[in-house]
Amino acid sequence: EPEVTQTPSHQVTQMGQEVILRCVPISNHLYFYWYRQILGQKVEFLVSFYNNEISEKSEIFDDQFSVERPDGSNFTLKIRSTKLEDSAMYFCASSVSEGRFSNSPLHFGNGTRLTVT
Amino acid sequence: DQQVKQNSPSLSVQEGRISILNCDYTNSMFDYFLWYKKYPAEGPTFLISISSIKDKNEDGRFTVFLNKSAKHLSLHIVPSQPGDSAVYFCAASASRAGNNRKLIWGLGTSLAVNP
Repeated sequence: EPEVTQTPSHQVTQMGQEVILRCVPISNHLYFYWYRQILGQKVEFLVSFYNNEISEKSEIFDDQFSVERPDGSNFTLKIRSTKLEDSAMYFCASSVSEGRFSNSPLHFGNGTRLTVT
Repeated sequence: DQQVKQNSPSLSVQEGRISILNCDYTNSMFDYFLWYKKYPAEGPTFLISISSIKDKNEDGRFTVFLNKSAKHLSLHIVPSQPGDSAVYFCAASASRAGNNRKLIWGLGTSLAVNP
């Protein structure tokens, strides 16, 4: 079964450094997402992406964050200057469609654990 | 932000019995609800969903019930199997342009099915 793949599985970085988290969505999916889960807290929506542009973003997704689909397969999340509070598990997801009352659930990758020291 | 609440952090059930996981929500704009299952070191996996026009959706051993007046939904697993042991997340969204864009998640319930 096709799956969403994320690399690396664990990233350790120093505060203030830039990090890029990489994702390869399922090949026929058109909608891409980033979510994150801080340890012990809820999974939180960050951003959705369709047709090479952001379709929605949360208040968490400030100017320090950016997303890009640099080629036909990769979908990346960049954090420009990491803060301690950015430490979390970051999940990439993709879906065939928006899923309005249809069965188009999000398919998640296994996540990248980001540790900012 | 407690729009989606899963008040039981953990649940333990004997194999073969029914597992009932509960979820409450506060936002009356939510009209699409999903359950995801998560194993350690893996991402969430979609399990079952229900839209607000229904009050029940069934898929094999999994049934989701929605009580809109109570703003409550539940996931029933019957019979429970040891492989069902995982964290179960309830999530909800308010459809505007689409359901998937912004899911609001509960904290999860860790289910242990004992052989």
